[in-house]
Amino acid sequence: EPEVTQTPSHQVTQMGQEVILRCVPISNHLYFYWYRQILGQKVEFLVSFYNNEISEKSEIFDDQFSVERPDGSNFTLKIRSTKLEDSAMYFCASISAGGVNEQFFGPGTRLTVL
Amino acid sequence: RKEVEQDPGPFNVPEGATVAFNCTYSNSASQSFFWYRQDCRKEPKLLMSVYSSGNEDGRFTAQLNRASQYISLLIRDSKLSDSATYLCVVLGGGTYKYIFGTGTRLKVLA
Repeated sequence: EPEVTQTPSHQVTQMGQEVILRCVPISNHLYFYWYRQILGQKVEFLVSFYNNEISEKSEIFDDQFSVERPDGSNFTLKIRSTKLEDSAMYFCASISAGGVNEQFFGPGTRLTVL
Repeated sequence: RKEVEQDPGPFNVPEGATVAFNCTYSNSASQSFFWYRQDCRKEPKLLMSVYSSGNEDGRFTAQLNRASQYISLLIRDSKLSDSATYLCVVLGGGTYKYIFGTGTRLKVLA
């Protein structure tokens, strides 16, 4: 069964460093998402991406964040200068068409900022 | 009013019990609704979509009440393996932004 994959599973970084989280969505999917879940809190929408551009982003997704689909398979989330409060689980998700289809999530990357 | 609201629980029920969760949403233009299950420190996994006519999948039944803007999930004959957090997810009208509730934690006891 096709699945969304994410690497690394755990990333530890120093405050102020740049990190890139990687995702490989399901191959025929068209819409891609990043979510964040701080430990013990709810899953929060960060950004949606379609046709090589951002469709929508939340207030969390400020200038420190960027997304890219560099090669038609990978989908990356970059945090330019990490803060302590960026420590969270980051989930990538994809859907096959807009609107009503179900999202499939990757296993997540646990980001720890020291 | 929160966009998607759930009782965080926990709901502690014995094996074999029937348990129901509700979820309310604030955007009347919302068009798609889902229940996801999340185990501790894992990714959300789709349990079922929620249709206007209601739908059933084995021991799980989901209902949608658009007039009152709530969604429900009923679990019959609870198993120990049903212990998890159940997330209500709503897709807003005219947007591709999926909004998650805080989740309801279920613990099924032997």
